[in-house]
Amino acid sequence: AAGVIQSPRHLIKEKRETATLKCYPIPRHDTVYWYQQGPGQDPQFLISFYEKMQSDKGSIPDRFSAQQFSDYHSELNMSSLELGDSALYFCASSLVAGGPETQYFGPGTRLLVL
Amino acid sequence: AQSVAQPEDQVNVAEGNPLTVKCTYSVSGNPYLFWYVQYPNRGLQFLLKYITGDNLVKGSYGFEAEFNKSQTSFHLKKPSALVSDSALYFCAVRSWGYSGGGADGLTFGKGTHLIIQP
Repeated sequence: AAGVIQSPRHLIKEKRETATLKCYPIPRHDTVYWYQQGPGQDPQFLISFYEKMQSDKGSIPDRFSAQQFSDYHSELNMSSLELGDSALYFCASSLVAGGPETQYFGPGTRLLVL
Repeated sequence: AQSVAQPEDQVNVAEGNPLTVKCTYSVSGNPYLFWYVQYPNRGLQFLLKYITGDNLVKGSYGFEAEFNKSQTSFHLKKPSALVSDSALYFCAVRSWGYSGGGADGLTFGKGTHLIIQP
């Protein structure tokens, strides 16, 4: 079965640079979620989009923004990167239209900020 | 606000023995509970969930979990552990109903390292 696709899988950036992470949800899923997992930490919810509209907002820094496009893929844009942004970034998708459903996670993008 | 507690950082079990990984939660409204497993340098794999109905939920790879409303717990169990079950397990919660929408994010516990010894 098709899974959530994230690109790139690994990314190295310098401080103050920008980064864009991409997420392609499972086909026919209408909702995308972004999570950040620091080293040895639990995943922290950042933001979600349902039918291309922002739905829920968690601990997303103001330096980060995200959107969901007409084909339901999503991008997380990160600016003025800091050392503390080094983490594993997960995207998850679900089908919400029929009621709350399971979030299926992608393999993650590992971001290293030097 | 919602929260999840996994009181054990690590659980050690001998292969073939039953295992339990503990989870308690706090949420406004109805709880929607999950267990996920994470292998090193991998994503989170869904194991099972509770929305409503039977308190005993069966999931992937022989795992099950019991929802206990009075104790606000959702412990993960397996009757006979395998070495391949060794991984990091996360319990997660979200509310749904009057305070939660369909696309709300999950709140995770800190995770429990499960180590199955041959």
